[in-house]
Amino acid sequence: EDQVTQSPEALRLQEGESSSLNCSYTVSGLRGLFWYRQDPGKGPEFLFTLYSAGEEKEKERLKATLTKKESFLHITAPKPEDSATYLCAVQASPGSQGNLIFGKGTKLSVKP
Amino acid sequence: DTEVTQTPKHLVMGMTNKKSLKCEQHMGHRAMYWYKQKAKKPPELMFVYSYEKLSINESVPSRFSPECPNSSLLNLHLHALQPEDSALYLCASSQRKSASDLDEQFFGPGTRLTVL
Repeated sequence: EDQVTQSPEALRLQEGESSSLNCSYTVSGLRGLFWYRQDPGKGPEFLFTLYSAGEEKEKERLKATLTKKESFLHITAPKPEDSATYLCAVQASPGSQGNLIFGKGTKLSVKP
Repeated sequence: DTEVTQTPKHLVMGMTNKKSLKCEQHMGHRAMYWYKQKAKKPPELMFVYSYEKLSINESVPSRFSPECPNSSLLNLHLHALQPEDSALYLCASSQRKSASDLDEQFFGPGTRLTVL
């Protein structure tokens, strides 16, 4: 069965304290992996798409990487405005009709 | 423009009411989705429309009725809901060029639904 697991469930950081969020996946065939940011009561905001092992994408203080079994979202020198829930989702192939399999998310809190 | 819009932002309804949620995108996407999200949980897929045809219904109760009037619009008609249906309802869209292509989904801001 296709599965996505995110860890930790919650992460508290001080402003400027860099860290990483993990997303491990077990799927029959990976078409792509997506990272989203979600603020309370709002829809997920698209961050990154990763296609193949070894790929890296960056956006401001965020950097996403992908291996054959997991993805990391590295946060460098975070600020309070980076506080949100970060969702990882996988699109498996074939046969999944392209739909997303979500992890449960990591809730990040950054204190000033 | 990667915007998906949803109306209303908030909705409070009684169990005997009939209401509708609306979603619109102007990105030329050919797939549109409805998700339900409960607090502290990831989004759960409800329906998928691909090229204006319902392609997936994830065993959703019949009190939820989707409609896709055209490729830009998606509605969710609600009738005789239960308090446990209270949640954030999210709409998303994607290009869906083919069944085998990578397909990035873009989400709207959601409708916060409360059933009394």
